[in-house]
Amino acid sequence: EPEVTQTPSHQVTQMGQEVILRCVPISNHLYFYWYRQILGQKVEFLVSFYNNEISEKSEIFDDQFSVERPDGSNFTLKIRSTKLEDSAMYFCASSGTGGNEKLFFGSGTQLSVL
Amino acid sequence: QKEVEQNSGPLSVPEGAIASLNCTYSDRVSQSFFWYRQYSGKSPELIMSIYSNGDKEDGRFTAQLNKASQYVSLLIRDSQPSDSATYLCAVKRAGGTSYGKLTFGQGTILTVHP
Repeated sequence: EPEVTQTPSHQVTQMGQEVILRCVPISNHLYFYWYRQILGQKVEFLVSFYNNEISEKSEIFDDQFSVERPDGSNFTLKIRSTKLEDSAMYFCASSGTGGNEKLFFGSGTQLSVL
Repeated sequence: QKEVEQNSGPLSVPEGAIASLNCTYSDRVSQSFFWYRQYSGKSPELIMSIYSNGDKEDGRFTAQLNKASQYVSLLIRDSQPSDSATYLCAVKRAGGTSYGKLTFGQGTILTVHP
């Protein structure tokens, strides 16, 4: 079964450093997303991306965050200057089309900011 | 603030019993409703989707939707210890660019004991 893959599975960084989280969505999918889950809290939407541009973003997704699809397969989330409160599990997801199409989630990257 | 509310539990049921999980949502423009299962430290896994009022059955799972009451539920029949997990209710708005923007509840912890 096709799956969304994320690397690395764990990332430890110092506060103020830049991190890039990587995702390979399912190959024929067109819509890509980042969600995050702080330990013990809800899964939260960050951003959706379609046709090489952001289609929607949440209040969390401020100027410190950016997304990119640098080639035909990867989808990345960059946090420019990490804060302690950015520590969370970050999930990439993709879907074939918009509308009611279901989202496939990757296994996540656990980001720890020290 | 558009909210999705779930009883955090824990809900404990004996093996073989029916587990009933409930979810309410505040946004009347909600269009699509999903139940995800999340094991500790893992990503959400879609188990049911429902879009119109009534019941939808898939194996041991039945989702029920009542848009007038803004209520969605999940029944798990013949509960097994392997069903022990956190169950997340997720809701998607209609229209606009909210293709994959899901709003999640905080999840209900289900424990099925032998």
